[in-house]
Amino acid sequence: GAVVSQHPSRVICKSGTSVKIECRSLDFQATTMFWYRQFPKQSLMLMATSNEGSKATYEQGVEKDKFLINHASLTLSTLTVTSAHPEDSSFYICSAPPRGTSEQYFGPGTRLTVT
Amino acid sequence: SQQGEEDPQALSIQEGENATMNCSYKTSINNLQWYRQNSGRGLVHLILIRSNEREKHSGRLRVTLDTSKKSSSLLITASRAADTASYFCATDTSGTYKYIFGTGTRLKVLA
Repeated sequence: GAVVSQHPSRVICKSGTSVKIECRSLDFQATTMFWYRQFPKQSLMLMATSNEGSKATYEQGVEKDKFLINHASLTLSTLTVTSAHPEDSSFYICSAPPRGTSEQYFGPGTRLTVT
Repeated sequence: SQQGEEDPQALSIQEGENATMNCSYKTSINNLQWYRQNSGRGLVHLILIRSNEREKHSGRLRVTLDTSKKSSSLLITASRAADTASYFCATDTSGTYKYIFGTGTRLKVLA
């Protein structure tokens, strides 16, 4: 099946710094990718839709200036958490649908810890 | 926001028993997917069911969809300890592959 990778898998950063998370579709092209956040023992909350060649679409309540999304190519989307705070500590997961399918393939996730 | 709610929130059964999880959602859907997530790990896709389908099978998994009741169920037969995980339903309401997740069911299968 289709493979989506994320890098890094874990990151620890200090409060006030910025962190970039990459999401790559390894064997297919994706004009759209999605970013989710998951707090411990909770479900996934959709943060934004990443669109190749255009601006990302953010869900209500998600600060676009804090969570910068860039869909640089048909296989890469990046999420940058700017000026991170401890409350941004979470599990960030991306997903992408291969063209012509209705399925979503998820990356393995990135665990962000802000100290 | 959460589109779906799942029940039960937690389920504990003995190995060999069947496990049933239910998902209810609020608005009309194009399709619904079920995923499994082991603790602290990524998601594993289980089954996709489209709005015009009523039932699908995959190995020990059986998914039903009742669009009139806006609900779906996931049945795992002859459960194994390795089935211990959280299970989520996710719905696509707009045909844009933007999936909204339910609250999840934490399943524990005791050996």
